[in-house]
Amino acid sequence: AQTVTQSQPEMSVQEAETVTLSCTYDTSESNYYLFWYKQPPSRQMILVIRQEAYKQQNATENRFSVNFQKAAKSFSLKISDSQLGDTAMYFCAFMKYNAGNMLTFGGGTRLMVKP
Amino acid sequence: GAGVSQSPSNKVTEKGKDVELRCDPISGHTALYWYRQSLGQGLEFLIYFQGNSAPDKSGLPSDRFSAERTGGSVSTLTIQRTQQEDSAVYLCASSRVLAKNIQYFGAGTRLSVL
Repeated sequence: AQTVTQSQPEMSVQEAETVTLSCTYDTSESNYYLFWYKQPPSRQMILVIRQEAYKQQNATENRFSVNFQKAAKSFSLKISDSQLGDTAMYFCAFMKYNAGNMLTFGGGTRLMVKP
Repeated sequence: GAGVSQSPSNKVTEKGKDVELRCDPISGHTALYWYRQSLGQGLEFLIYFQGNSAPDKSGLPSDRFSAERTGGSVSTLTIQRTQQEDSAVYLCASSRVLAKNIQYFGAGTRLSVL
């Protein structure tokens, strides 16, 4: 079974600054996907970024980037130029490759962006 | 539709009553997923549908929970004889079969069992 751990229950950052959210996971699989989802107060989970484990290059989506360290089983999310709208819960998630079924989520990190 | 739609948005019920939660996936998405989000257990996978069949029911917490999907579209999650520990947000997601690794979520149903 897979486990996903987010060691930072809460974080805060000043608007326009950079923040990094941590995620580690445990699996015996060699191929898999990793995700970061954002959940604002509206409750709807929004995909932020996705990483395929067989790709060495770190994924990037505008102000969001990841640091994927496969050997260390680490998958951190960096948010640059933080905006007030980034305030939300952030969940790291794991999915086995080619399984197409369940996401295994971490416990979440509550991020507050301060003006 | 434009996104995954869930209804009701909020549901308050009395212990022992049955409840039905509905999920309407994105048009053309053949895979549908149910998750539960609670304070004590975090986000848990419940069940997954490919078309109308559910290959994996291992996440359903008890036999009081059941789900069905008809016409390859709308899904209903039914909880019988609700208990207080069933109080949670129930999230539904869908994905296209060729991109099963990207799941798009609805806003969930918040269930409160009194």
